[in-house]
Amino acid sequence: EVQLLESGGGLVQPGGSLRLSCVASGFTFSSYGMSWVRQAPGKGLEWVSDIRGSGIVTYYADSVKGRFTISRDNSKNTLYLQMSSLRAEDTAEYYCANYYDRGGYYGKFDYWGQGTLVTVSS
Amino acid sequence: DIQMTQSPSTLSASVGDRVTITCRASQSISNWLAWYQQKPGKAPKLLIYKASSLESGVPSRFSGSESGTEFTLTISSLQPDDFATYYCQQYNSYPWTFGQGTKVEIK
Repeated sequence: EVQLLESGGGLVQPGGSLRLSCVASGFTFSSYGMSWVRQAPGKGLEWVSDIRGSGIVTYYADSVKGRFTISRDNSKNTLYLQMSSLRAEDTAEYYCANYYDRGGYYGKFDYWGQGTLVTVSS
Repeated sequence: DIQMTQSPSTLSASVGDRVTITCRASQSISNWLAWYQQKPGKAPKLLIYKASSLESGVPSRFSGSESGTEFTLTISSLQPDDFATYYCQQYNSYPWTFGQGTKVEIK
């Protein structure tokens, strides 16, 4: 059974930093790309960042480029999102999701974690 | 960026109704279109991929179709478990983008 378990969310002041983690199980982690997708309270879904299975290729939404860094440790089956210079508009539930790391499957989110809430407020 | 425009934003329907949700892409995305279902407090769940392919385990009352840059999710006979919010998503090119969502409510 595929499981994705996020952690690391919480309350942080504007300008602060936070690191999210997503521990994966039930599939061959290195064969899957991973994404972070967020959802502000009462709003829709917004893709944040992607990392391919190798961990070498990454992508970011313009709204977080230069402030967030995605990474992964395939030996630990874990995905990370380092967030810095946080703003009020980064307040959201952050989900990790996986996709098969092969052409034609990039961005097709097969499984999602349950999310971790990040609140940016003074 | 590719904009995904979903309609309607809210839909009121009864059990047994046929329901149709539309998503329009601002440019060609071929058939790289997915549909997700999200219930309150839960993560999204993949229903349809490649515009019309049913994800394993998803009931056959869900179907997807495409016509150019317009995509449709149809629920043939709405069931109590189907009251939720539905999102389309293009995965033709980065940044991946979602429609704004359609909430299916009980009439």
